Amino acid sequence: DGGITQSPKYLFRKEGQNVTLSCEQNLNHDAMYWYRQDPGQGLRLIYYSQIVNDFQKGDIAEGYSVSREKKESFPLTVTSAQKNPTAFYLCASTPGQGNEKLFFGSGTQLSVL
Amino acid sequence: GESVGLHLPTLSVQEGDNSIINCAYSNSASDYFIWYKQESGKGPQFIIDIRSNMDKRQGQRVTVLLNKTVKHLSLQIAATQPGDSAVYFCAESSGSARQLTFGSGTQLTVLP
Repeated sequence: DGGITQSPKYLFRKEGQNVTLSCEQNLNHDAMYWYRQDPGQGLRLIYYSQIVNDFQKGDIAEGYSVSREKKESFPLTVTSAQKNPTAFYLCASTPGQGNEKLFFGSGTQLSVL
Repeated sequence: GESVGLHLPTLSVQEGDNSIINCAYSNSASDYFIWYKQESGKGPQFIIDIRSNMDKRQGQRVTVLLNKTVKHLSLQIAATQPGDSAVYFCAESSGSARQLTFGSGTQLTVLP
């Protein structure tokens, strides 16, 4: 099946710890995105990448980092600088080239211990 | 800044009735609109989209209406079923960036 796979489903972070959320897609999409979702709120863009080895900050990039070494993969690291990391994190992709319809993964729920 | 918002945070309908979920947007340059359905603990699923050169588009049991004059978008679900219970998000995009801006969502509850 083609799609976007996020792992793990649930993740717990200790104080001062960095954690990495995985996102893999086999849709051959050029662009990939990370969103943060807080309860009762919409999606806020953290980072996005339109091509391999290039990425841009979204609206709430502080405390997060990403890499895009492969077309299929766009991992998100939540660093210790992110003081309020508890949220539902969604990875998405689009074919790019002006096609903005997002395809989403199933999400990772990150909580702080 | 520009924003996409929803009129009502919650909507309850009887099974079999039609549902209408509304969305207001403020960016007059928005030219693409999309609706997603999100079930609890899952990622959003695409429902239907529409470009600004249209005012109505129909899918299977769903219709999206766009009123550019008042900057209003609505999603109509016919014969609402229990499986339709979810949060529904609208989103819009504009300009060369072609990135979606999301509203806060409406929780639809289908009553038996």
